[in-house]
Amino acid sequence: EDKVVQSPLSLVVHEGDTVTLNCSYEVTNFRSLLWYKQEKKAPTFLFMLTSSGIEKKSGRLSSILDKKELFSILNITATQTGDSAIYLCAVLFSGTYKYIFGTGTRLKVLA
Amino acid sequence: NAGVTQTPKFQVLKTGQSMTLQCAQDMNHEYMSWYRQDPGMGLRLIHYSVGAGITDQGEVPNGYNVSRSTTEDFPLRLLSAAPSQTSVYFCASSPDRYNEQFFGPGTRLTVL
Repeated sequence: EDKVVQSPLSLVVHEGDTVTLNCSYEVTNFRSLLWYKQEKKAPTFLFMLTSSGIEKKSGRLSSILDKKELFSILNITATQTGDSAIYLCAVLFSGTYKYIFGTGTRLKVLA
Repeated sequence: NAGVTQTPKFQVLKTGQSMTLQCAQDMNHEYMSWYRQDPGMGLRLIHYSVGAGITDQGEVPNGYNVSRSTTEDFPLRLLSAAPSQTSVYFCASSPDRYNEQFFGPGTRLTVL
């Protein structure tokens, strides 16, 4: 059965801390892994990873994919209260338009 | 551009009632999807479309119908609402299968 598992389920940190969010997957016909941030409403796109070992960066956020070990991590450095959100990981299947999402990691950053 | 829009924002139904959740996008995207989001379950794919006139089932299609008569619109129909369909529904679109999806603001549906 195809699945995407995120850990931890929730996390509380203080401003300035660095956090690492994990996403592991077991899917047939993997194409890409995507990270989204969900605050109050719609998920917003962060990164798409297709190749192993290539880090994607955007400001204080970065992500990398390991296709051999079937996981990805999302790092957030120098966290701010505005980083408080649910972070979703999704896998896109090759040859189709189907995605499987993980259950998300709820991050709370305290001032 | 309005992006992806959904109506209504909130809806309360009684068991057995039918309704249509509306989704529209003005980005000329070929690919569109419907998801439901439940606590502890993440986003689950209901139905998707790869272009006008073409739809397919996702992970949890039972109790829902879709059609895609135009590129812009992708309505989701609940034929006979059940309490198990209480959820937040998101519509998403993307220009092709290789790019990220853009999500609408969601519809919170409660079935009593």
